[in-house]
Amino acid sequence: AQTVTQSQPEMSVQEAETVTLSCTYDTSENNYYLFWYKQPPSRQMILVIRQEAYKQQNATENRFSVNFQKAAKSFSLKISDSQLGDTAMYFCAFGANNDMRFGAGTRLTVKP
Amino acid sequence: GAVVSQHPSWVICKSGTSVKIECRSLDFQATTMFWYRQFPKQSLMLMATSNEGSKATYEQGVEKDKFLINHASLTLSTLTVTSAHPEDSSFYICSAKRPEQVYGYTFGSGTRLTVV
Repeated sequence: AQTVTQSQPEMSVQEAETVTLSCTYDTSENNYYLFWYKQPPSRQMILVIRQEAYKQQNATENRFSVNFQKAAKSFSLKISDSQLGDTAMYFCAFGANNDMRFGAGTRLTVKP
Repeated sequence: GAVVSQHPSWVICKSGTSVKIECRSLDFQATTMFWYRQFPKQSLMLMATSNEGSKATYEQGVEKDKFLINHASLTLSTLTVTSAHPEDSSFYICSAKRPEQVYGYTFGSGTRLTVV
């Protein structure tokens, strides 16, 4: 069974600064995907970034980038130039075999 | 593109009654839909996976007779909470997968169920 661990229940960052959210996972699968989802107060789940396990290059999406360490089963999210609108719950997710599992989440607060 | 509509967004029902939640893919055909439950300040827990035209696959510990899932068409899946109890109160979210899409499903906006 796959497990996803987010060890930071809450984090805060000053506006315009950079913050990194941690995620580790455990799996015996070779082919899988990793995701970061954002859930703002509206509770709508929004895909932030996706990483295919077979790709060595770290995914980037504008201010969002990941540090994917396959051997260490680590998948951290870096948010650069943090904005007030980035305040939300962030969930790390693992997908394999038509299945997706989520970590416990990290509540990020961006302070003005 | 890739919009998933979930209805209702919130519902209050009395104990013992049943309530149906709909999940529709508006601009694509979803071969697979997923139902999650989220308790306050907690993560999303997968309840079941539904494939169009076949029975849903439930996660361990999820009562099939209490949470009835029907995926009758490529654009609609429903979750019916039967004989609801206060402990069924929660936030329920669906997600839908396009046939050509490997991962990165689209989520509905969720339904807050309160059983009184």
